[in-house]
Amino acid sequence: SQQGEEDPQALSIQEGENATMNCSYKTSINNLQWYRQNSGRGLVHLILIRSNEREKHSGRLRVTLDTSKKSSSLLITASRAADTASYFCATGETGANNLFFGTGTRLTVIP
Amino acid sequence: ETGVTQSPTHLIKTRGQQVTLRCSSQSGHNTVSWYQQALGQGPQFIFQYYREEENGRGNFPPRFSGLQFPNYSSELNVNALELDDSALYLCASSLSLKGEQFFGPGTRLTVL
Repeated sequence: SQQGEEDPQALSIQEGENATMNCSYKTSINNLQWYRQNSGRGLVHLILIRSNEREKHSGRLRVTLDTSKKSSSLLITASRAADTASYFCATGETGANNLFFGTGTRLTVIP
Repeated sequence: ETGVTQSPTHLIKTRGQQVTLRCSSQSGHNTVSWYQQALGQGPQFIFQYYREEENGRGNFPPRFSGLQFPNYSSELNVNALELDDSALYLCASSLSLKGEQFFGPGTRLTVL
């Protein structure tokens, strides 16, 4: 079963705009990770945020984590056409070694 | 450094057949996890192998089985294929049990 839920399910923006995706989860976690997937192929790791962190940056990516609300957001600034992909959040649960993935957000960046 | 590789890329089988998917982990990684991703869904955990032993299993029936070899490469075997087994199968390797997981490109299995 899926651990998390991403919102929105699909997002379409113009190149240069910012894209925000949200993820909610259900249980206690050690960390939360965001992945990108192009055209149903392998997953590319974007960023990991630990449960004791509130915000993390990597290039044009900004991730926030609110453990009290069991939610996270991924912000992609100044989007590019190459950012078009599906984005998944995945949680590393306390006591588990595997990842629990959400349902994904399909991002389309229009040139 | 070679990343995670999977073979074959695509596979077509008929219902009732058996299939073996292969994964070569990244150099130095002793942990391999397998995931099933149905169309339009997020990946779901099948099982994990650590130093050749199964170390955790998701909600999948026993006809899904696996192996990890001394070089830490891995196989996923599925017996008595069903139509619902059609999916992208992803493997991921990590340096340790709780380390960052690096995913391979996946094997697309179609069951007719």
